[in-house]
Amino acid sequence: DAGVIQSPRHEVTEMGQEVTLRCKPISGHNSLFWYRQTMMRGLELLIYFNNNVPIDDSGMPEDRFSAKMPNASFSTLKIQPSEPRDSAVYFCASSFAEKLFFGSGTQLSVL
Amino acid sequence: QQPVQSPQAVILREGEDAVINCSSSKALYSVHWYRQKHGEAPVFLMILLKGGEQKGHEKISASFNEKKQQSSLYLTASQLSYSGTYFCGTHGGTSYGKLTFGQGTILTVHP
Repeated sequence: DAGVIQSPRHEVTEMGQEVTLRCKPISGHNSLFWYRQTMMRGLELLIYFNNNVPIDDSGMPEDRFSAKMPNASFSTLKIQPSEPRDSAVYFCASSFAEKLFFGSGTQLSVL
Repeated sequence: QQPVQSPQAVILREGEDAVINCSSSKALYSVHWYRQKHGEAPVFLMILLKGGEQKGHEKISASFNEKKQQSSLYLTASQLSYSGTYFCGTHGGTSYGKLTFGQGTILTVHP
């Protein structure tokens, strides 16, 4: 199994631009999580899905952030418009038997 | 609410032991431990459920005291490969595995 696949690995964009992060979970895992990691705030849960349905989006910072999971094998996290304070590593993780399997992350830099 | 880890950082020589603590102000259903190496994604180590059981992974073990809402991670005879940041994640008992992570403990093992 290839594990959780995220793209892109690195994204550099200018303030105000739209950013879309993508995630393919491990096949058979029915929960998917988006985390953001920064030095100041550590690992923060943004949103998670169970069976493609958003269960808890209380961690989404503001309306500029949105996430979708149109099917069991694909999820997106969109930031529109992006701001410099959104710069962070964004991890997607899928879970099985309560174990989280993280993707390699997307390093986002908003200039 | 985010669990609190202590210490924030530990420096060891190969072969030495270390203990990392994780405490929560809320009742816990389970505690999860992950290790993240620099520039990589967090990797699952172990889960501890209510009951105070100890689990092991390599020469790493952990305990969970649900009355005190605390968990401790024990690293015995440390190896260079143990270097990284250790996170505890706490689970309040919801159905979908939502974890809230502590701020992390940076462990550095020197030859």
